[in-house]
Amino acid sequence: GQQLNQSPQSMFIQEGEDVSMNCTSSSIFNTWLWYKQDPGEGPVLLIALYKAGELTSNGRLTAQFGITRKDSFLNISASIPSDVGIYFCAGLPVNDYKLSFGAGTTVTVRA
Amino acid sequence: DAGVIQSPRHEVTEMGQEVTLRCKPISGHDYLFWYRQTMMRGLELLIYFNNNVPIDDSGMPEDRFSAKMPNASFSTLKIQPSEPRDSAVYFCASSHRGLRETQYFGPGTRLLVL
Repeated sequence: GQQLNQSPQSMFIQEGEDVSMNCTSSSIFNTWLWYKQDPGEGPVLLIALYKAGELTSNGRLTAQFGITRKDSFLNISASIPSDVGIYFCAGLPVNDYKLSFGAGTTVTVRA
Repeated sequence: DAGVIQSPRHEVTEMGQEVTLRCKPISGHDYLFWYRQTMMRGLELLIYFNNNVPIDDSGMPEDRFSAKMPNASFSTLKIQPSEPRDSAVYFCASSHRGLRETQYFGPGTRLLVL
């Protein structure tokens, strides 16, 4: 699958701050997924998006499927220490079955 | 549900040895995927199965890698002979009835080939 452009690569934030990250692609996607990977564990699905413009929340997490179908973003509100980890975006391009993954955003929260 | 189960969680072996990684998908899931994760290349799809049948193995690095799924609840990924460049984290994932369904990942096997 093609590589997605995920940014930022890493971020240090203060506990209580909001976090925002995004993924972009040069081609159109049908599905966007956001995963979190804790050290020593596998990626865990946070949010799945299936329609352009869709905005979905999961607790303090909110993700949106971009209108152009070429991007998605993830917001974390009021970050807490357990938000530490690597966040991956993943997407399924039109006419393809292989998930493309972003390189990940490493989030570190300062107490 | 127990989620995707992988074993072993860690494997250290010497170059030239055979390595077998195991996966039990979520019950009822028809698709099973094997991924490899490295710092340099991120997550790469190696092979996937649908109803126990290998559909696409174009991501398998070379003939030293093979995967089987003898039944709906078990799959193996074998490397023979192993090489140091095979060191990585290998993930198994499964999904329910469709390639566009969400994939659920196992905890991974951390392989180190010396």
